[in-house]
Amino acid sequence: EAGVAQSPRYKIIEKRQSVAFWCNPISGHATLYWYQQILGQGPKLLIQFQNNGVVDDSQLPKDRFSAERLKGVDSTLKIQPAKLEDSAVYLCASSLEGTGETQYFGPGTRLLVL
Amino acid sequence: RKEVEQDPGPFNVPEGATVAFNCTYSNSASQSFFWYRQDCRKEPKLLMSVYSSGNEDGRFTAQLNRASQYISLLIRDSKLSDSATYLCVLKRGFKTIFGAGTRLFVKA
Repeated sequence: EAGVAQSPRYKIIEKRQSVAFWCNPISGHATLYWYQQILGQGPKLLIQFQNNGVVDDSQLPKDRFSAERLKGVDSTLKIQPAKLEDSAVYLCASSLEGTGETQYFGPGTRLLVL
Repeated sequence: RKEVEQDPGPFNVPEGATVAFNCTYSNSASQSFFWYRQDCRKEPKLLMSVYSSGNEDGRFTAQLNRASQYISLLIRDSKLSDSATYLCVLKRGFKTIFGAGTRLFVKA
């Protein structure tokens, strides 16, 4: 079974530039999560989709971050404009549903903002 | 105060040792609990779910104490391959909250 796919794996940009990340979850998984993991910290949930609807985006900095999952499958996360403090690993995860069960993570995108 | 607190470590133990980690949580409405493992520069992976009755998977034992609001992970007979960061995770409805992790180094 194919796992969660993410691209790109690495990205270096300058502050105030824009960047987009892509995630393809495990087939059949209704729930998709985007996390931000800063070095030395645990993953912080940015946004959670159930199919193509947003379940929780309470920690998403909406002035600069946006995410969509138009057809309930793939998702993109965008940062516009980027700040130095956005340097982190952006992890995408998926699960069958949204409560209680295992989340499967992709390899992440490492973002460095200079 | 953070909703999930873990001792960051690092815990440095010799092979064969028994090591235990605790994780405390502040919201009593938390419903589900998990331990995830994260290797250096890799993604987190589920190690085990945690139940009030306790659960065991080989050398790993997890326990939940709702009254005192903590979960624990015990690793017996540590292996070099157990070196990783162990993340405490709780779920409350649709919310998922990760702790910052406890780093474990097992040395020969």
